[in-house]
Amino acid sequence: KAGVTQTPRYLIKTRGQQVTLSCSPISGHRSVSWYQQTPGQGLQFLFEYFSETQRNKGNFPGRFSGRQFSNSRSEMNVSTLELGDSALYLCASKGDRVRYNEQFFGPGTRLTVL
Amino acid sequence: SQQGEEDPQALSIQEGENATMNCSYKTSINNLQWYRQNSGRGLVHLILIRSNEREKHSGRLRVTLDTSKKSSSLLITASRAADTASYFCATEQNQAGTALIFGKGTTLSVSS
Repeated sequence: KAGVTQTPRYLIKTRGQQVTLSCSPISGHRSVSWYQQTPGQGLQFLFEYFSETQRNKGNFPGRFSGRQFSNSRSEMNVSTLELGDSALYLCASKGDRVRYNEQFFGPGTRLTVL
Repeated sequence: SQQGEEDPQALSIQEGENATMNCSYKTSINNLQWYRQNSGRGLVHLILIRSNEREKHSGRLRVTLDTSKKSSSLLITASRAADTASYFCATEQNQAGTALIFGKGTTLSVSS
């Protein structure tokens, strides 16, 4: 079974631009979560989507948004980029009927904002 | 905000030694999980312990959970150079959805 994939792996943007990151979960997984990792704040939960609906949301400004498609693929969008948005963005998928609440993480997208 | 803290922040040991990392959290949890991350890559799930469990083993890993003290520990026995990584505890709180709240992590360095 293929793992969680994220595209692109690396991205460089300038302040004020917007960016869209993509995540393809493990086949059959309907839950996709997004996390931001920075040296200062560590790993922080952004949001979770399940069956195309946002099920949970972290404490991030409205510039951070996401969506999920019918095939469970998810995209995350950040508008009006700020220098502080430079981070590793990780997505994770989770199965419905697993015994444990294990989340499978992708390799991440490293975003640099100049 | 972070759910809790790992202790120590950094740990350096020799191959063959045991490594113990501790994690504290603040609120009620459904379960506590440990993840490993190599050099800023994706996270790899190591082990999960439910709130009604006290100890769990998986290979060279042993996890304990003390809900009265809101703390957990991860023991890696007979460490290898390949265990060099950052280790994070993550808690899943008693709420809808599956948001994981991570600690700041322990950086483990195992030298041969």
